[in-house]
Amino acid sequence: EAGVAQSPRYKIIEKRQSVAFWCNPISGHATLYWYQQILGQGPKLLIQFQNNGVVDDSQLPKDRFSAERLKGVDSTLKIQPAKLEDSAVYLCASRFGPGTNEKLFFGSGTQLSVL
Amino acid sequence: AQSVAQPEDQVNVAEGNPLTVKCTYSVSGNPYLFWYVQYPNRGLQFLLKYITGDNLVKGSYGFEAEFNKSQTSFHLKKPSALVSDSALYFCAVRAPRTGKLIFGQGTTLQVKP
Repeated sequence: EAGVAQSPRYKIIEKRQSVAFWCNPISGHATLYWYQQILGQGPKLLIQFQNNGVVDDSQLPKDRFSAERLKGVDSTLKIQPAKLEDSAVYLCASRFGPGTNEKLFFGSGTQLSVL
Repeated sequence: AQSVAQPEDQVNVAEGNPLTVKCTYSVSGNPYLFWYVQYPNRGLQFLLKYITGDNLVKGSYGFEAEFNKSQTSFHLKKPSALVSDSALYFCAVRAPRTGKLIFGQGTTLQVKP
């Protein structure tokens, strides 16, 4: 079974530049999450999609972050403009669920460095 | 509000001794609870989950966790720690209705030979 695919793996940009991350969840997974993980901290939920609809984006800094999930499959997360404090690993995860066999699958993440 | 707390930043144990990593949570309704482990420069790996049923859940690598509804806790345990268990451990709770999944801040487990 193919896993959650994310790209790019690494990205280095200067502050005030724009950046986009891409996620392809496991086929058939309706729920998709984007998390921000700063070094040494727990993943912070940015946005949750159910198919192509947003379920929760309460922690998304909407003045600079945006995300979409066209056709309920792939998703992109964009930062414009980036700040130094955006340096983190951005994780995408997907889930089939619900039910007792549900399980969250994580991608390898995109490590963003803002200089 | 939904939240997860891991009160210890770091837990130190000697190899062969039992270990406990603590987690408490707050969520509306019956919680779905998870433990994940993260090794340096690696992604998050699923260890175990509690959805319903027996309060003692067994997972990967000999880990288990005990769900305690009255104390709203879901502590991770292992009877005999290994040096290779040294890693960063995250507790997570998912709200059953919305599917919102949030993580604790993490606990670094250090197992010394």
